[in-house]
Amino acid sequence: AQKITQTQPGMFVQEKEAVTLDCTYDTSDQSYGLFWYKQPSSGEMIFLIYQGSYDEQNATEGRYSLNFQKARKSANLVISASQLGDSAMYFCAMREDMRFGAGTRLTVKP
Amino acid sequence: DGGITQSPKYLFRKEGQNVTLSCEQNLNHDAMYWYRQDPGQGLRLIYYSQIVNDFQKGDIAEGYSVSREKKESFPLTVTSAQKNPTAFYLCASSIRRGYGYTFGSGTRLTVV
Repeated sequence: AQKITQTQPGMFVQEKEAVTLDCTYDTSDQSYGLFWYKQPSSGEMIFLIYQGSYDEQNATEGRYSLNFQKARKSANLVISASQLGDSAMYFCAMREDMRFGAGTRLTVKP
Repeated sequence: DGGITQSPKYLFRKEGQNVTLSCEQNLNHDAMYWYRQDPGQGLRLIYYSQIVNDFQKGDIAEGYSVSREKKESFPLTVTSAQKNPTAFYLCASSIRRGYGYTFGSGTRLTVV
């Protein structure tokens, strides 16, 4: 089975600075994909960004980008210019596996 | 607007009672999923369904049951066999398995 690991239970970042949330995965498949979701305190899950293993470029969506390092099996989420509203739980997940990592709680400090 | 609806938002039940959580989608998605989330924890897969009248167990299916009689609906029953049912339950759907999920807003179940 595939496995997703998020090793940072909590992270703090100063408003307007960038932050990187780690995600490593384990798979023997050649074709796979990774999602990142945000979960505010309300509980809803908000899709942020997707990276396919065969995508030639790292995914970007506004202030979100993926630092995808295939050889190291990592797909870290980079949030630039952090805002107070970015404070939430962040989860990565593998497309095929339907499983999520344990999550990272991000707190943005004013 | 298309979306996925979970109801109710909050649910209270007495220990020993079965309870059914509703999940309805009008996105024409084939695949639907149920996840459980405990406070401060990640999501754990309970059941998923890729097509009508078919479903598979996830990692923590014991004490839960599902049905998929219609494409739009994937209700989850929390039975009295579930030892610790108090949790936040999230339903999701996707066009097919392996595609991006759309989540419902969740049901917070408290068993007293």
